[in-house]
Amino acid sequence: QITLKESGPTLVKPTQTLTLTCTFSGFSLSESGVGVGWVRQPPGKALEWLGLIYWNDDKRHSPSVHTRLTITKDSSKNQVVLTLTNVDPADTATYYCAHSGDWFSNHFDYWGPGTLVTVSS
Amino acid sequence: EIVLTQSPGTLSLSPGERATLSCRASQTVTVNYVAWYQQKSGQAPRLLIHGASSRATGISDRFSGSGSGTDFTLTISRLEPEDFAVYYCQQYGDSPITFGQGTRLEIK
Repeated sequence: QITLKESGPTLVKPTQTLTLTCTFSGFSLSESGVGVGWVRQPPGKALEWLGLIYWNDDKRHSPSVHTRLTITKDSSKNQVVLTLTNVDPADTATYYCAHSGDWFSNHFDYWGPGTLVTVSS
Repeated sequence: EIVLTQSPGTLSLSPGERATLSCRASQTVTVNYVAWYQQKSGQAPRLLIHGASSRATGISDRFSGSGSGTDFTLTISRLEPEDFAVYYCQQYGDSPITFGQGTRLEIK
């Protein structure tokens, strides 16, 4: 059974760095083709894809956050870490991590419950 | 980037009726790599359809996807009370991955 769960701060001040951890089970990020993505959703708004990291450490980032976003993995700990620098109130959102089982077909078949992050002074 | 436009914004129907949701892409989606998700209030999205027409594991056959190129459709054949939610399409044929703005399916 595949599960994912996001963890991290609920409140971050503007200009600070946001670090979120996705801890997963039921699959290995060492397995060929597997990826973990990050998607966020501002309150009352649509889903926005942020990035993806694959089993081979290949990464994809959205241009909207590309210069501020870093995604890393620790396959031995079954964790993926998202780092977003210089946050702004516009980064207030529920952040989700999600599993992608196919390098060529990046739909997300399992999602974490999400964690709400508020950016405010 | 590929922009996805979903219509209508809100769809008001009664249980037992048929729902047809549209997702139009600003350019051709490679290999018809379109997925549909259902999201209920306070919950994470749930994958319904991938590859434009393949149902995800455990999804009722009341849900079906169709389309190709730039026009894609999610059809729910007979609405059940639990189907009233927000639906998003996603394209993953080109980077960056993009989502539509959503269609809210509400009880009439």
